[in-house]
Amino acid sequence: SQKIEQNSEALNIQEGKTATLTCNYTNYSPAYLQWYRQDPGRGPVFLLLIRENEKEKRKERLKVTFDTTLKQSLFHITASQPADSATYLCALVPTDSWGKLQFGAGTQVVVTP
Amino acid sequence: GAGVSQTPSNKVTEKGKYVELRCDPISGHTALYWYRQSLGQGPEFLIYFQGTGAADDSGLPNDRFFAVRPEGSVSTLKIQRTERGDSAVYLCASSQEGGAGANVLTFGAGSRLTVL
Repeated sequence: SQKIEQNSEALNIQEGKTATLTCNYTNYSPAYLQWYRQDPGRGPVFLLLIRENEKEKRKERLKVTFDTTLKQSLFHITASQPADSATYLCALVPTDSWGKLQFGAGTQVVVTP
Repeated sequence: GAGVSQTPSNKVTEKGKYVELRCDPISGHTALYWYRQSLGQGPEFLIYFQGTGAADDSGLPNDRFFAVRPEGSVSTLKIQRTERGDSAVYLCASSQEGGAGANVLTFGAGSRLTVL
């Protein structure tokens, strides 16, 4: 069966360090993969998108990698700040139904000053 | 509107009752999505619309759930004979037409449904 796995344990990190989150998937051949941020009581907010033929994408302090051989995406937050504290969700977009995003359970990041 | 608007923000109902949740997408967005999210879980796909038609409703859990988008804008998610297991946050999102391109979803704040 199809599965998307993200670290279930919260990631506690000190301000200024790099946070690295993992998204692993099985039995999927996604067209592309997205990362969202979700704050308590709010809907997810889009951050970055990476296509299957791309290895890496960057946006300001964020970096995403995508390895279709390993079936894994890594999400990095460099020079982390307390305002980065949130839950981060990965979402896979299948090739046969582009509107049917499949989300992981998310990883909570806590950045302490 | 400026963002995706969902009403009500909170709904408490009794088991067996009928519930409607409304979503007003961003103006001009042709695609609209419904997800539901339980505590500690990621959003679970329910249905998405392209215009007025449901392009994929494979996530609707059973025939108690139904969604409409009659004019290609506002959508209503309808739940009949609610059960306690239906309790969750129901998220609506919209996007510009995607297809082979990148459909970036803009989510609303959600409607929290509690079935007693």
